[in-house]
Amino acid sequence: SQQGEEDPQALSIQEGENATMNCSYKTSINNLQWYRQNSGRGLVHLILIRSNEREKHSGRLRVTLDTSKKSSSLLITASRAADTASYFCATAYISSGSARQLTFGSGTQLTVLP
Amino acid sequence: EAGVAQSPRYKIIEKRQSVAFWCNPISGHATLYWYQQILGQGPKLLIQFQNNGVVDDSQLPKDRFSAERLKGVDSTLKIQPAKLEDSAVYLCASRDWARGYEQYFGPGTRLTVT
Repeated sequence: SQQGEEDPQALSIQEGENATMNCSYKTSINNLQWYRQNSGRGLVHLILIRSNEREKHSGRLRVTLDTSKKSSSLLITASRAADTASYFCATAYISSGSARQLTFGSGTQLTVLP
Repeated sequence: EAGVAQSPRYKIIEKRQSVAFWCNPISGHATLYWYQQILGQGPKLLIQFQNNGVVDDSQLPKDRFSAERLKGVDSTLKIQPAKLEDSAVYLCASRDWARGYEQYFGPGTRLTVT
């Protein structure tokens, strides 16, 4: 079963508003990543936060991580129509020795209305 | 740099037929992943290669799925025979393990089994 679960499953906002997506996971992680997927396309890496970090920023993106609650949130500020996509959190855990793999959640479908 | 290439982009087959997907990772990326993404879900890891060796194939249905990465560059994923439940997008991703945890995804192959 997938470790990360995003909330909400779908989110619709007006252009210019902020969008917040949440992710919960079950086991200890090395890092947590957020990816975006436009319809019919592959996934694009957005931001990575390590287990010893609490907050990270990249442009209009802000990610927080609470390892005690096993949860993360992605905030997109001043949203644009081009931000319309599915957003996935992915947790990295150690498997097979030094290998690190990603376990993806089910995603949040964000729609930004112009 | 060129991204991850995949072909074909779309494939429609009948159940019990065979199908093969091809992936060319980013040059120099030693780690290669194949994922299965069913509609409305996040990607699920099928197999991970490090150079031409299999690191983890624990989630690969080995009775019908096979994958190889000869010479540690290109990779093929095969399904034989296909079932209706194999209808999904098959994503290939690569990673430069020496530079970080970010994975780079190809556009995927959408498989429809009828």
